[in-house]
Amino acid sequence: NAGVTQTPKFQVLKTGQSMTLQCAQDMNHEYMSWYRQDPGMGLRLIHYSVGAGITDQGEVPNGYNVSRSTTEDFPLRLLSAAPSQTSVYFCASSDGANEGYTFGSGTRLTVV
Amino acid sequence: QQPVQSPQAVILREGEDAVINCSSSKALYSVHWYRQKHGEAPVFLMILLKGGEQKGHEKISASFNEKKQQSSLYLTASQLSYSGTYFCGTLGVSNYQLIWGAGTKLIIKP
Repeated sequence: NAGVTQTPKFQVLKTGQSMTLQCAQDMNHEYMSWYRQDPGMGLRLIHYSVGAGITDQGEVPNGYNVSRSTTEDFPLRLLSAAPSQTSVYFCASSDGANEGYTFGSGTRLTVV
Repeated sequence: QQPVQSPQAVILREGEDAVINCSSSKALYSVHWYRQKHGEAPVFLMILLKGGEQKGHEKISASFNEKKQQSSLYLTASQLSYSGTYFCGTLGVSNYQLIWGAGTKLIIKP
């Protein structure tokens, strides 16, 4: 099993550019989430989903969009990149509210 | 709504014990514990559910006081491999948002 796969691993964007961070899991998990982690800090929830077609906002959703058309995929779209979005982004999935999360290896994003 | 973790950092000698605490101001459905090593993704350690059920790492122990909305992670006979930052995550009873504490950095010295 590959688990949770995130691409790309590294990305540099110019201010104003848009891009999509990809996340795919092969464990048939219903729950998926996107987090950002700034240096020396904990994780902050951006968006989450409890199943295909169902998404909701987390703590810091502004500037990001998500969609969940399949159980496997949960892409995160940056609409117009800003330097404040420089961070490490983690995607995670879980088999439900009573289970732990499996994390992808992360995407390190720098906006210049 | 972010849970509060304490202490912020702990330095131990190999073989010593540590307790990491996590408290929330809201009613909780579950508490998660994860360990993150530098430059890596968080790794799941344990989940403690409302009602007393626990799932996770066999060598890790933790408690969940539902009345006080507090959880503690107990690391006994620490090994060098225990080093890293420990995060608690809390899931409220009214939504599916897993919200994280700021982390506790654990340093184990030989």
